[in-house]
Amino acid sequence: EDKVVQSPLSLVVHEGDTVTLNCSYEVTNFRSLLWYKQEKKAPTFLFMLTSSGIEKKSGRLSSILDKKELFSILNITATQTGDSAVYLCAELIQGAQKLVFGQGTRLTINP
Amino acid sequence: DVKVTQSSRYLVKRTGEKVFLECVQDMDHENMFWYRQDPGLGLRLIYFSYDVKMKEKGDIPEGYSVSREKKERFSLILESASTNQTSMYLCASLTSGGNYEQYFGPGTRLTVT
Repeated sequence: EDKVVQSPLSLVVHEGDTVTLNCSYEVTNFRSLLWYKQEKKAPTFLFMLTSSGIEKKSGRLSSILDKKELFSILNITATQTGDSAVYLCAELIQGAQKLVFGQGTRLTINP
Repeated sequence: DVKVTQSSRYLVKRTGEKVFLECVQDMDHENMFWYRQDPGLGLRLIYFSYDVKMKEKGDIPEGYSVSREKKERFSLILESASTNQTSMYLCASLTSGGNYEQYFGPGTRLTVT
């Protein structure tokens, strides 16, 4: 069973800081890696990464995948209090078409 | 917009009761999922279904069953609720047509007393 591990589990920074969240995965049946943001309700989709080395960007958020080292990072620059959330990464399993989630990183942005 | 709805946002049940959680999606997605989310454990897959009347066990199926009689509806059943099933339950759907964005419902917070 593929496993996804996120680090850190919790992070507290000040508004304006840049943060990097990490996600490592096992490769047995890898297809893609997905990032989600979860505030008070259900997770909302951020990025899907399938190819190594290609950065995906949306505003202050960006993400990249390294298929050789089996990890992905999510960067948030110039953080705002509205970025406070749990960030989840998930591996999409080839064939089975299901997602295996990491534990999540709880990010808190203090004003 | 993809819409995934769940029948209840909050539910309180007694130990031993039979509990039905309903999930409906309106985007004709083939794949549907039930997760539970607990602090420190992330999202754990209970069951998923890739077609009508088809189901597969996820990582923690014990104590649960599912039903998928129609493509748009996926039900999670707790045959005899127990206190360790107190959790947030999230339903999701996923298209298999190349774009693998998974869309979540709003969640049902179930408390078993």
